[in-house]
Amino acid sequence: DTGVSQDPRHKITKRGQNVTFRCDPISEHNRLYWYRQTLGQGPEFLTYFQNEAQLEKSRLLSDRFSAERPKGSFSTLEIQRTEQGDSAMYLCASSLAQERYTFGSGTRLTVV
Amino acid sequence: GENVEQHPSTLSVQEGDSAVIKCTYSDSASNYFPWYKQELGKRPQLIIDIRSNVGEKKDQRIAVTLNKTAKHFSLHITETQPEDSAVYFCPRAPGGYQKVTFGTGTKLQVIP
Repeated sequence: DTGVSQDPRHKITKRGQNVTFRCDPISEHNRLYWYRQTLGQGPEFLTYFQNEAQLEKSRLLSDRFSAERPKGSFSTLEIQRTEQGDSAMYLCASSLAQERYTFGSGTRLTVV
Repeated sequence: GENVEQHPSTLSVQEGDSAVIKCTYSDSASNYFPWYKQELGKRPQLIIDIRSNVGEKKDQRIAVTLNKTAKHFSLHITETQPEDSAVYFCPRAPGGYQKVTFGTGTKLQVIP
């Protein structure tokens, strides 16, 4: 499979729990992005990496969110002490240079 | 910051008719203009893109036109089909080390 893979596809968690999502980008893509999308809205930027370096993080992102891309390949997004407002679709995308994003199918998070 | 304005926010057309979505940008330095399509419950997908040195690009029933003087670019879909029903985004894509920023898009409904 040469697409962007995300795991899990769905996650239901209780408020206050920690969750971690994984993204496997297209292997030759050096850039990896995390977005969040809620119903009726476009994808909202969270953070992005070029290789293993995290180049930008949204100011909207609280310190409960952290992302890593330790070897410049897959990435993980962790949300600590989840809140109901964190319920959303979390999308990962990758690209070669800055253009032509390929998105994964996303992880749908529901915080109950 | 520099934004891209997209119109209309919703659009309904009869199957077989044409649909046009227009985006206006303000950054004179913009040189890359992508269009993404997101079907209900699915990932956003790049459907066509254009660079500032090209005035028009076509791919089967879809085309993008760029008017650099007026700073707007448009997506044209001809002979619309029900599977064209989706949300279409013209995100801001400044290039370089800057991320792609999505708005709320245009919801296109093709009525059979």
